[in-house]
Parts: sequence; C-alpha cells; structure tokens
Amino acid sequence: KAGVTQTPRYLIKTRGQQVTLSCSPISGHRSVSWYQQTPGQGLQFLFEYFSETQRNKGNFPGRFSGRQFSNSRSEMNVSTLELGDSALYLCASSSGTRPEKLFFGSGTQLSVL
Amino acid sequence: EDKVVQSPLSLVVHEGDTVTLNCSYEVTNFRSLLWYKQEKKAPTFLFMLTSSGIEKKSGRLSSILDKKELFSILNITATQTGDSAIYLCAVEVGAAGNKLTFGGGTRVLVKP
Repeated sequence: KAGVTQTPRYLIKTRGQQVTLSCSPISGHRSVSWYQQTPGQGLQFLFEYFSETQRNKGNFPGRFSGRQFSNSRSEMNVSTLELGDSALYLCASSSGTRPEKLFFGSGTQLSVL
Repeated sequence: EDKVVQSPLSLVVHEGDTVTLNCSYEVTNFRSLLWYKQEKKAPTFLFMLTSSGIEKKSGRLSSILDKKELFSILNITATQTGDSAIYLCAVEVGAAGNKLTFGGGTRVLVKP
C-alpha cells in the first residue's frame, strides 16, 4: 500500500509570492491534516479536511488555506509569502477519527527568500 | 491556549543506557496523548494513551499517562544507535477529528 505522498519535496520562493503544496493520502483515507514544523515553534496544526469539508482549523492567518478534492487529495495554499513561512509542511492522512492511525508524509521543505 | 511541553530539550546517552522523556500538558477537551518518533521527516506513531496508570509497552519502549498530574513519560531501555531521533509528544484535542497539539520534541542522540 503506497504511503502518504507529498509534492514537491523542496520548494524555494521569494517573499510576496504564493505557493501550492499537494498531498495524496493513503488509498481509502478520507481525512487529511496539515502541519507546519519549524525549529522555533515545533509542529503546529494548520487544518484538517474530511470528505472535502474542513473539520478542524488551527490558529494560522487567512493567508493559509486548503482544500480537499473528491478523491481525497488535498492542497494547501499560502499567499503573500513571508520569510517566517519557511518550514517543513507535513501532511497526515487517516481513515477517520483514530489518531493512532494517522500516517505522515515526508513533507515539503519550503524556503522563502 | 492549549500547551504541551516536553523535557529535556535534548540528551546524549551511550548504547545500553535508559532514557526517560517527559511530556506535560494543559489543554481543554483532552481526548488522548500520543508519542511519535521522527528520524528524518515523517513522524511515526509509537503509542496512544487514554487511561491513567496503564503502561503501554512495545519492545524496549514503554509509556504511561497520569491524567491527574497531566503528564506522560516515555522510557527507552537498553538504548541503541537506531533510537537516535526526535521524540514528539502530542495531545489530541477537540470534539471531533484529528487535531493534535504537539510539544517541541526531545532530541535523543545515542552514541555507540
């Protein structure tokens, strides 16, 4: 069974640009969550989608948005990039509401210059 | 605001040593506490704890939760170099879904 796939693996952008990250969950999984990981703040919850609906949301500004498609693939968009958005963005999928069944992807490393 | 604090920040041990990692939390609407191991990028699941005082074990790793004192510990006995990683504690919060609040992690380095 293929794992959680995130693309691209690495990304370099400049301030003010926007970026879209993609996450393909494990086949059959309907929940996709996004996390931001930085050395200073650790792993922080961005949002969770379940069956194309946002089910939970973290405390990030509106520049961070996401969506989920009918095939459960999810995208995360960050507009007007700031230097502080440089981070590892991790996606995790699960079949429903069992956190012990949460599987993480290898992330997208975003660098904002 | 929900808060999860891990200690120590980092530690260096030698193979065969025992390590104890700490995790304390202050959250509303606690549902469970989870431990993850992060070696490169993708955290991998270790334990999920929901009940106080019941130890969970997997090989050389074990963990226990104290819901009265709001903390958990993760023990690793007879450490090996392959145990070198960042260990993350997370608390599941909220009424539904998979929303985890993570601690800052403990970086463990096991020297041969």
